[in-house]
Amino acid sequence: AQRVTQPEKLLSVFKGAPVELKCNYSYSGSPELFWYVQYSRQRLQLLLRHISRESIKGFTADLNKGETSFHLKKPFAQEEDSAMYYCALRSGGYNKLIFGAGTRLAVHP
Amino acid sequence: ETGVTQSPTHLIKTRGQQVTLRCSSQSGHNTVSWYQQALGQGPQFIFQYYREEENGRGNFPPRFSGLQFPNYSSELNVNALELDDSALYLCASSPGGTGGQETQYFGPGTRLLVL
Repeated sequence: AQRVTQPEKLLSVFKGAPVELKCNYSYSGSPELFWYVQYSRQRLQLLLRHISRESIKGFTADLNKGETSFHLKKPFAQEEDSAMYYCALRSGGYNKLIFGAGTRLAVHP
Repeated sequence: ETGVTQSPTHLIKTRGQQVTLRCSSQSGHNTVSWYQQALGQGPQFIFQYYREEENGRGNFPPRFSGLQFPNYSSELNVNALELDDSALYLCASSPGGTGGQETQYFGPGTRLLVL
């Protein structure tokens, strides 16, 4: 079964601390993974995708096929990073996304 | 360039009623996907429309149906509402067609409460 698991509902850190939001997936085939973010009172938006291999707002994510993981990392958290983060997997021959349950990141001053 | 819009923003219905939610896709986008997001959960794929045809469907019963119009706007219809249908309904548009690599752009959602 195709599934995305985000084991932490809440991750609470202090400003300047490193952040790692965990994401594990189950997929038979070549997965395409994404991180979406939802800031307070804003709509869901794409943060980054694994095929781009880029850093956005200081966040990076590496696809580890051996561990079936796509963890999101940032070395120094900022207060403005506080948001809901969703890991997603593109499935099928069309543009269908399978989302995890999300992790709320709270960055404290 | 106008982003994805959805109407209404909030809606209250009672069990057994029918509801229609609307979505206007972003300019230049011909593919619309609908998702249901229950409280505390991630969005769950309902179905997708590409050039007015249903292009894929998630694990939702037939009482969830949709339409896409020639201007690529879309409707989600839910018949015989159940309490569990209470959720945020998200619409997302993308510029391409089947099997595309396109990014999905989400609307703000319609929050449906079924009493």
